[in-house]
Amino acid sequence: GAVVSQHPSWVICKSGTSVKIECRSLDFQATTMFWYRQFPKQSLMLMATSNEGSKATYEQGVEKDKFLINHASLTLSTLTVTSAHPEDSSFYICSAPRMNTEAFFGQGTRLTVV
Amino acid sequence: KQEVTQIPAALSVPEGENLVLNCSFTDSAIYNLQWFRQDPGKGLTSLLLIQSSQREQTSGRLNASLDKSSGRSTLYIAASQPGDSATYLCAVGNNNNDMRFGAGTRLTVKP
Repeated sequence: GAVVSQHPSWVICKSGTSVKIECRSLDFQATTMFWYRQFPKQSLMLMATSNEGSKATYEQGVEKDKFLINHASLTLSTLTVTSAHPEDSSFYICSAPRMNTEAFFGQGTRLTVV
Repeated sequence: KQEVTQIPAALSVPEGENLVLNCSFTDSAIYNLQWFRQDPGKGLTSLLLIQSSQREQTSGRLNASLDKSSGRSTLYIAASQPGDSATYLCAVGNNNNDMRFGAGTRLTVKP
């Protein structure tokens, strides 16, 4: 069964609104989680590293004020896309490593901004 | 910065053929390498995970090899089936467990 749960699996929102995506590790604690983005017909690109109890670290070119990451507990990280625009429409997916062995991925969230 | 390349970008084969997908990476200091399958509009399905100390992993008709020193991995699919049609992604993990993905190989297996 899934060890990392991501919610929602899809969301449609109006331009200018904010959307929150949750990533939960189900049976293990994850001090670090990762957020990726995939544009149509492209591969997955790492956006940011979510660190429990501290600030997230963002990859070059990713706006930290637009993509707010909160890792308030050892099993939950959230990604909030603020003031979403159509160009933010993408597939967002999180991952969490378990005991520094394998990284498990959530089911992904397809965001469509209209 | 780790760069991951997958060749070919697309591949179309008749059912029953054996095939090889290639993945190369620029920094050999990896923690692990993982092959995923992604169906259109869907998430990732993990196929095989190879730790840096391993040379290969097998699962059913799939076999993945890793040559860390040369920065290469291959995914071998035996007796391909139409249900194998999907995009196959290679991802390289560092010791922090974030992963760098290749662009994928889009496989079509024709009945």
